[in-house]
Amino acid sequence: GAVVSQHPSRVICKSGTSVKIECRSLDFQATTMFWYRQFPKQSLMLMATSNEGSKATYEQGVEKDKFLINHASLTLSTLTVTSAHPEDSSFYICSAESSQGPGEKLFFGSGTQLSVL
Amino acid sequence: GENVEQHPSTLSVQEGDSAVIKCTYSDSASNYFPWYKQELGKGPQLIIDIRSNVGEKKDQRIAVTLNKTAKHFSLHITETQPEDSAVYFCAASRTRGGADGLTFGKGTHLIIQP
Repeated sequence: GAVVSQHPSRVICKSGTSVKIECRSLDFQATTMFWYRQFPKQSLMLMATSNEGSKATYEQGVEKDKFLINHASLTLSTLTVTSAHPEDSSFYICSAESSQGPGEKLFFGSGTQLSVL
Repeated sequence: GENVEQHPSTLSVQEGDSAVIKCTYSDSASNYFPWYKQELGKGPQLIIDIRSNVGEKKDQRIAVTLNKTAKHFSLHITETQPEDSAVYFCAASRTRGGADGLTFGKGTHLIIQP
C-alpha cells in the first residue's frame, strides 16, 4: 500500500517553544492531507484538512493560530504547534489521500508523540 | 455531522476463535467505511474497507459487512491469532476515500488469549 512518513516519531519540548511535525507521502501525490489528534485510549479527532496550495480548513474548536498547517507541495504537509503548553501533549497523526489502486483511500503516518514539559 | 458508534470497547477471545466488532453511523450520505488497526504508539493501518455499493467484502481472515438500510457495518476476524491483538477503529465518510476527513468510532481493544 501507499506509504506516509511522519517525523519526528517522538518529541519532548519545553513550554513556550514551537514544534514542527512533517508528513510526507512517499510514493504518491496527495492534494489533501489530514491532521488528527489522539489522547491516550481514545479515538482520533480530526483537527484540520490540509490542501496543497491553499489554506487549511480547521475543525470547530481548533485554534488555527496555535496549530499552523502548511501544505507547500503535493508530498509534504507540516503541522507546527506554536507556543506549546502541557495541555498540547498528545499523539498527532497525519493522513494522506491516495488515488492509487481501486478508488481513493486514506493512509496514515506512524504518529508523533508530543510531550510538553 | 456524522456520528459513529462502535461496540464493544474491549473484546477478549480465545486464539483461533472469531471476533466481531460492530459499528453504526448516523449520516445516510456516508458511503465509505474503512477499518483500521492500531498498535501501541503507531499510526492506524488500513486493513479493509467497503463502499456503499457493496454488501460484503472479504480478504483472507478478515471480512466486512455493510447494511445501508440499518446504517451499520461490522468487522469479522476468523481464526484469530496473537498478532491480531490491537485496537481496531471503524470510520465513515461521505466522500471518496474520506476526502472530507473520516469520522472514527471510539475503538475496540481486541485481546487474543493464547
